[in-house]
Amino acid sequence: KQEVTQIPAALSVPEGENLVLNCSFTDSAIYNLQWFRQDPGKGLTSLLLIQSSQREQTSGRLNASLDKSSGRSTLYIAASQPGDSATYLCAVRTQGAQKLVFGQGTRLTINP
Amino acid sequence: SAVISQKPSRDICQRGTSLTIQCQVDSQVTMMFWYRQQPGQSLTLIATANQGSEATYESGFVIDKFPISRPNLTFSTLTVSNMSPEDSSIYLCSTGWGVDQPQHFGDGTRLSIL
Repeated sequence: KQEVTQIPAALSVPEGENLVLNCSFTDSAIYNLQWFRQDPGKGLTSLLLIQSSQREQTSGRLNASLDKSSGRSTLYIAASQPGDSATYLCAVRTQGAQKLVFGQGTRLTINP
Repeated sequence: SAVISQKPSRDICQRGTSLTIQCQVDSQVTMMFWYRQQPGQSLTLIATANQGSEATYESGFVIDKFPISRPNLTFSTLTVSNMSPEDSSIYLCSTGWGVDQPQHFGDGTRLSIL
């Protein structure tokens, strides 16, 4: 059974810092991995999707990497801003399945 | 990306009643997914809804408690039946256009049971 873990559970940093969020998964037979952002009381916004054959994906100040063999992904946020404050979730899609398995999320606070 | 609309956005319900949540997608999709997010928790898949067939439920979720309809390729409903305070959660609808495409979510329905 696929299990997804995100560390840390919460992170607070001053504005302008670069930061890394971590995601690990137990079964390396994944199809892809997706990072989401969730604002309080809201749904999920898709940030980046990395296919199993890819090593990284970039969108603006966000860079996600994937090391499938070790069961790890990181989300790098450059030059953080207060508007980046949210909960960040990673989810994996296991091969042969349509559904996503989610981690518990990292609650990020960027302090002005 | 898809526009996924959910109604209602929130509701407060009495114990023992039922509520139906609607999910509308702005284009045709094969699969629609219903997730639950309990307070302070991550998302758990309730069921997968394909048009023209019975929904497939995950372990721990049953059709009597969470009946799902999928009348066409752009719409689905999830009913939370005989509600108890333990059903207080955010319920989210999701879909995508293939396993190699991002999955997108609606804004969710925040449900509180008194």
